Amino acid sequence: EAQVTQNPRYLITVTGKKLTVTCSQNMNHEYMSWYRQDPGLGLRQIYYSMNVEVTDKGDVPEGYKVSRKEKRNFPLILESPSPNQTSLYFCASSPGQGFSAEAFFGQGTRLTVV
Amino acid sequence: QKEVEQDPGPLSVPEGAIVSLNCTYSNSAFQYFMWYRQYSRKGPELLMYTYSSGNKEDGRFTAQVDKSSKYISLFIRDSQPSDSATYLCAMSPIYNTDKLIFGTGTRLQVFP
Repeated sequence: EAQVTQNPRYLITVTGKKLTVTCSQNMNHEYMSWYRQDPGLGLRQIYYSMNVEVTDKGDVPEGYKVSRKEKRNFPLILESPSPNQTSLYFCASSPGQGFSAEAFFGQGTRLTVV
Repeated sequence: QKEVEQDPGPLSVPEGAIVSLNCTYSNSAFQYFMWYRQYSRKGPELLMYTYSSGNKEDGRFTAQVDKSSKYISLFIRDSQPSDSATYLCAMSPIYNTDKLIFGTGTRLQVFP
């Protein structure tokens, strides 16, 4: 089954404690992206990757890091989480060199930073 | 001003009603328009996709694009309780884009 898998689904952490949210896709997609979803603000792109070792900033990259060492994985790293990073996070993947109508979203990770 | 505006709702309708969901946008370069459905605690899933102007129909769903007015719509006929979800519009100027621009979503509730 084609899917984008995020882990964990729910996470409560404390300010400053480094964390990683993993994202893995089994469709051999080149493009992967991270979004955060907040009430009244919708989905905003954090980072994206066009292929292995190629990443770029989206609209709200501050406080986040990513890496793309393998095609299937695109982890999101919060080196020092703060309460304003409390949000619902989605990973997406898409074939080709960008986000298209054939993109898949993961199930989401609800992060709370206290 | 946001690039894409969408009424957040909530929109509450009885089963069987015709639902109209809308987005307006400011960037005349947008050519590709999508509607996503997002159930509670799930990721968005693509519902409809249209290119440029015109209508597209898929079962009970019809997507309309009016580029002259910078206005897109999603109509749901014979709405069902299972249609209760948040509907997100999204758009981009090209097919393979580095990012989609999303609306904030409209929450729809269809009651029996």
